[in-house]
Amino acid sequence: EVQLLESGGGMVQPGGSLRLSCAASGYTFSRSAMSWVRQAPGKGLEWVSSISGSGGSTYYADSVKGRFTNSRDNSKNTLYLQMNSLRAEDTAVYFCVKQLSLVGDYWGQGIRVTVSP
Amino acid sequence: DIQLTQSPSSLSASIGDRVTITCRASQGISNYLAWYQQKPGKVPKLLIYAASTLQSGVPSRFSGSGSGTDFTLTISSLQAEDVATYYCQKSGFTFGPGTKVEIK
Repeated sequence: EVQLLESGGGMVQPGGSLRLSCAASGYTFSRSAMSWVRQAPGKGLEWVSSISGSGGSTYYADSVKGRFTNSRDNSKNTLYLQMNSLRAEDTAVYFCVKQLSLVGDYWGQGIRVTVSP
Repeated sequence: DIQLTQSPSSLSASIGDRVTITCRASQGISNYLAWYQQKPGKVPKLLIYAASTLQSGVPSRFSGSGSGTDFTLTISSLQAEDVATYYCQKSGFTFGPGTKVEIK
């Protein structure tokens, strides 16, 4: 059974940093691209970033480019999202998503990030 | 960047009604379109990918069509458990704003 478990969320002040982790199990982690998708309170889904199975290619939404870094450790079956220079508008639930042919076939339960003074 | 719009933004229909949601891309995306269902308080669920391929386990009352810039998600006979917000996504990237489906 595929499981994706996010951790590392919480409350941080504007300008601060957080690192999210997503521990994957139940499939061959290195064979799947992964994405981060977020959802601000009461709002729709927003794609944040994707990374290839090898980690060699990464893609970012314009809203986070230069501030967020998506990475993975295939030896640990873990995906990371390093978030720097956080802003109030980054407040959201962040989902870790397994990709199958460019679509999200499995989603984690999500982790809340709050950016507030 | 490619933008996706959805219409309507919300709808209310009766049990058994045929429901159609439209997604339009700002430029052609071939069939690189997926549809997701998000029930209140729940994690999004993949319904359809490659514009018209039903994900395993999804009821057959859901169907997708389209190519290029115009796509549709159809629920052939609306059920109570279909109350949710539906999102289209250019495969791997941008999401549409969502369509909220309620029961009349």
